[in-house]
Amino acid sequence: QVQLVQSGAEVKKPGASVKVSCKAPDNSFSNYGFSWVRQAPGQGLEWMGWVSAHTGYTSYAQNVRGRVTMTTDTSTTTAYMELRSLRPDDTAVYYCSRSTSIAIGTDVWGQGTPVTVSS
Amino acid sequence: QSALTQPASVSGSPGQSITISCTGTNIGIDKYVSWYQHRPGKAPKLMIYDVAHRPSGVSDRFSGSKSGNTASLTISGLQAEDEADYYCTSYAITATVLFGGGTKLTVL
Repeated sequence: QVQLVQSGAEVKKPGASVKVSCKAPDNSFSNYGFSWVRQAPGQGLEWMGWVSAHTGYTSYAQNVRGRVTMTTDTSTTTAYMELRSLRPDDTAVYYCSRSTSIAIGTDVWGQGTPVTVSS
Repeated sequence: QSALTQPASVSGSPGQSITISCTGTNIGIDKYVSWYQHRPGKAPKLMIYDVAHRPSGVSDRFSGSKSGNTASLTISGLQAEDEADYYCTSYAITATVLFGGGTKLTVL
C-alpha cells in the first residue's frame, strides 16, 4: 500500500503562514496530482484544492482561494500546501492524497498534519 | 455548508443492511462519485469510486449506486468494524471537488 509522508504538527499565531509538505514515492511522481483535504475539530472533511505534478495546474476551493498555494517539487517528489493569513478556524488536521486526476477517488493518503492556530 | 447533503447519522444492528444517501444537483451529471470511510485519527479510506466501483481489498458488503441527483452507499451484513464516518464526494463543473457533510454510522 503506497503511503504519503507528511510533515509534523504545527502551531501558529493568527495572521501567520504554514507550509505543510507531503513526500511521495519516487516512481512516476509526475503522473499524479495531489489533493489537500482538512478536518477541523468536530467538523467534516473539506476539500481545499488539487495540484498537478505534471503541469502545475491548480484548482482551489472558493473558501480558501487567495490564501492558499499548492505546489510540487519533482526533484524531491514532494507536494506542498501553504496557507497564509491563518485564522483560528483554520485549526484542523490537514491531509494530502494522490490521484491521477482531480476528479477520481484515491486510496493513497498521508497520515495527516495537525495545525493549530492560536494566540 | 456542503452542496452535497447526507443524513447526519444512521444506525443498524449487526447483520442488517443500511443505506447512506448523498443528494446534490451535481450528482446527476457526475460519473466520479466516491465514498470514503473515516475513523478519528486515521486517513480516509476509499470504499467506492466512479459511483459503483469497489477498490481492491474493500469488502463486497459495500456497494454504491446512483439515481437522479442522489448517490447511495449500501452496507450489507453490518459489522461492528463498519462503525465510522462516511463521506461522499462529487466532482463539480467548476473543476472543484465537493464533500458531503458526512454521516456517522453507529452499529447497535
